[in-house]
Amino acid sequence: GENVEQHPSTLSVQEGDSAVIKCTYSDSASNYFPWYKQELGKGPQLIIDIRSNVGEKKDQRIAVTLNKTAKHFSLHITETQPEDSAVYFCAADTGRRALTFGSGTRLQVQP
Amino acid sequence: DAMVIQNPRYQVTQFGKPVTLSCSQTLNHNVMYWYQQKSSQAPKLLFHYYDKDFNNEADTPDNFQSRRPNTSFCFLDIRSPGLGDAAMYLCATSRVGQGSYEQYFGPGTRLTVT
Repeated sequence: GENVEQHPSTLSVQEGDSAVIKCTYSDSASNYFPWYKQELGKGPQLIIDIRSNVGEKKDQRIAVTLNKTAKHFSLHITETQPEDSAVYFCAADTGRRALTFGSGTRLQVQP
Repeated sequence: DAMVIQNPRYQVTQFGKPVTLSCSQTLNHNVMYWYQQKSSQAPKLLFHYYDKDFNNEADTPDNFQSRRPNTSFCFLDIRSPGLGDAAMYLCATSRVGQGSYEQYFGPGTRLTVT
């Protein structure tokens, strides 16, 4: 089955700096790669996703890149703000209407 | 706003006492999922319904059951909760088909077992 590895587990940046979180996946048949933001005590919120037919997608301060050959994808957050502090999860589809999640990255943006 | 609703948000039950968590959705999605999330871990899929078709994950304990009486509602039944079942339980929905894969999560129910 699909295995998703996520790094780093924790990330601390200064407000205004950029943050990058990286994930690798094992199943070359995976075609859909979402990123979720989870704030304390809340459910995960879909923030951006990418499908295998594109290499990059951007939405304001966040962007995701995908390298299918190397089987890795990354989340980039620019001009970070304190409200970006949360746990971020990457995921990949398993082809069975399900997602496999990475282990999560706790992002702390220092004001 | 269309959304995924979970009730209750917090549930306390006693060791061995059956408990039911509920999820409803106004998105008219054809797939509903139940995840278990323990502290500082990723959500772990327990099972999902694709329309009326129930799909259990291989490592989901028999202690966990689910019902989907109609498109909008899905229930998670824990027959005999143990201390290890204390966790956040997340419901999610998706509209599978036509190339759509997005899953939308509810706020979760935090279960405490005493």
